[in-house]
Formats: sequence, C-alpha cells, structure tokens
Amino acid sequence: KQEVTQIPAALSVPEGENLVLNCSFTDSAIYNLQWFRQDPGKGLTSLLLIQSSQREQTSGRLNASLDKSSGRSTLYIAASQPGDSATYLCAGPFNDYKLSFGAGTTVTVRA
Amino acid sequence: SQTIHQWPATLVQPVGSPLSLECTVEGTSNPNLYWYRQAAGRGLQLLFYSVGIGQISSEVPQNLSASRPQDRQFILSSKKLLLSDSGFYLCAWRGGGMLYGYTFGSGTRLTVV
Repeated sequence: KQEVTQIPAALSVPEGENLVLNCSFTDSAIYNLQWFRQDPGKGLTSLLLIQSSQREQTSGRLNASLDKSSGRSTLYIAASQPGDSATYLCAGPFNDYKLSFGAGTTVTVRA
Repeated sequence: SQTIHQWPATLVQPVGSPLSLECTVEGTSNPNLYWYRQAAGRGLQLLFYSVGIGQISSEVPQNLSASRPQDRQFILSSKKLLLSDSGFYLCAWRGGGMLYGYTFGSGTRLTVV
C-alpha cells in the first residue's frame, strides 16, 4: 500500500520567514505529485502540480520540488505571510484512480 | 474554464434519515469523479470513484452509495445515516489522463445527530 508522509505535522513561524514543508512517499512509480492548501472548514485548493518527468514547479512565492528516486517532495514558501496560515497537503496518484494523501502540515504564520 | 459545484455546504441530519449530496462539473466532458471523506482529525479517505456514466467503484464497505446519472453529475447517497457518517465530504474531478491534477469542490459538512 502506498504511504505518503508529511513532516512536520505542525509548524509555527514569524512573518517573513521561509517555510519548508516535506512530503515523502514509498513508491517511486508516481505519476505526478500535487500540493494543496486547505483552510479550516474549506475544500482543497490546488497550489502546484509536478509531473513525474519534472524536477520542480514554481508559482509566485511557492516552489515545489520532486525527487522520485528518493521518494521526496518539498514545498517552499518564501517570505511567509499571515495569510499563508493553513494546512498543506501533498498527494500523488500511484495507480490509475487513487490519489494518496499525506496527513498534512498545519502552518501558522505569526504577525 | 472548468468549475466544480458541490451542495449543500452544511447539513445536519438525524440518525436514520436519508442523505443525498450532489456534485456537478462544468466546462469539461467525461471527467473522472471522486467522493472523499475527511473525518475530524483524520486524513482524506477515498469513498467512490467513477470513470463514466453508471460506472461506480467503491473503495470501502460502508453505509453509503454513489451514482453517476449524467456525465458531469456525481451523487452520494445513504438510505439511513449513522452517527459515524458525520464528516466533511469532498467531491473532486480529474481529466481522463494521468497528467491531469485533481480539482476539489468546496465540501459539505455533514453532522449526524
């Protein structure tokens, strides 16, 4: 069974500090990896999608890397803001239909 | 552009009552459709997925069922709700190829009392 792990489970940083969120998976046969943001009581918002053939994706202050050989993905958020406070989830499809999720990292950015 | 609609946003139902949650997708055809549940303090659990009209696959045995009467409509149902059915239900869609990412709806908070 595919396992997706996110460390740390929670993170609290002062405003302006860079954030590093880690995601690891046990099966290197991943099609792609997606990072989501979830605000309390809300649905999931897709942040970045990295195809298995790519090493990284960037969107504004967000950068995500993917290393299939080591089974790791990292989400970097530069110059964090209080509005970045949320739970961040990584997920990947390891067969045709099933998206396996990590448990998430809850981020608090202190003003 | 593609959009996904999910309703209602919040629902409080008594034990033993029926349930119907609806999800529709616009701006695409023949999407793969999914129902997930997120219980309090737990991760996302895949409940059902569908690759076409009338094609439903169930991931876990449970008190729920799903149907896909139209290409872009996905319905989650129950004949008799249990307390354990409480949770946050999310609908999602994905294009037919594995290169596509998933798009999630805004979710339904179900509380069974």
